[in-house]
Amino acid sequence: SQQGEEDPQALSIQEGENATMNCSYKTSINNLQWYRQNSGRGLVHLILIRSNEREKHSGRLRVTLDTSKKSSSLLITASRAADTASYFCATASGSRLTFGEGTQLTVNP
Amino acid sequence: DVKVTQSSRYLVKRTGEKVFLECVQDMDHENMFWYRQDPGLGLRLIYFSYDVKMKEKGDIPEGYSVSREKKERFSLILESASTNQTSMYLCASSYLQAYYEQYFGPGTRLTVT
Repeated sequence: SQQGEEDPQALSIQEGENATMNCSYKTSINNLQWYRQNSGRGLVHLILIRSNEREKHSGRLRVTLDTSKKSSSLLITASRAADTASYFCATASGSRLTFGEGTQLTVNP
Repeated sequence: DVKVTQSSRYLVKRTGEKVFLECVQDMDHENMFWYRQDPGLGLRLIYFSYDVKMKEKGDIPEGYSVSREKKERFSLILESASTNQTSMYLCASSYLQAYYEQYFGPGTRLTVT
């Protein structure tokens, strides 16, 4: 199975609400990253959190990492219609990244 | 601005054809990657390269080969295309270590008929 598994698979919210996505993984990691993919396009890197960090912020994004539970969460505050996309977590271990299957976020105007 | 480009956005090929997908990055990155993305399966690594003329197999290399003759260019080759290779193909590059931030191209949607 995938190293990183996102939850939920799909999320639909209203503009202005917060969106929270979770990622669980199985093995030890060097870092964990979140990416966004707009429909039919390539992935765009959002944020990287190292294994010795617990929380990181970037604009409206907040990422937490709990290595004891092998889980991470991505919070998008004050969501906008333009945030509609698929969001992937990627775990870094060894010499590569392993991507989860993604969470499809829909923000309704 | 960082840029990864792929030779085609959409490609239609026949079964048995030899297919070349090309990727070019302008960031002088050491590492380059080819993934395929399928519904329900996420992104799966086909091959990656950490230097010119160097390559390593990913999770699903069967039916594919790669070439990296210049640092900026990484090609994916389907020796004899089959219908089960119909997919979205994504190229990426990264600086220094392969597990750092990756920059992706726009993707090539390949259909094999």
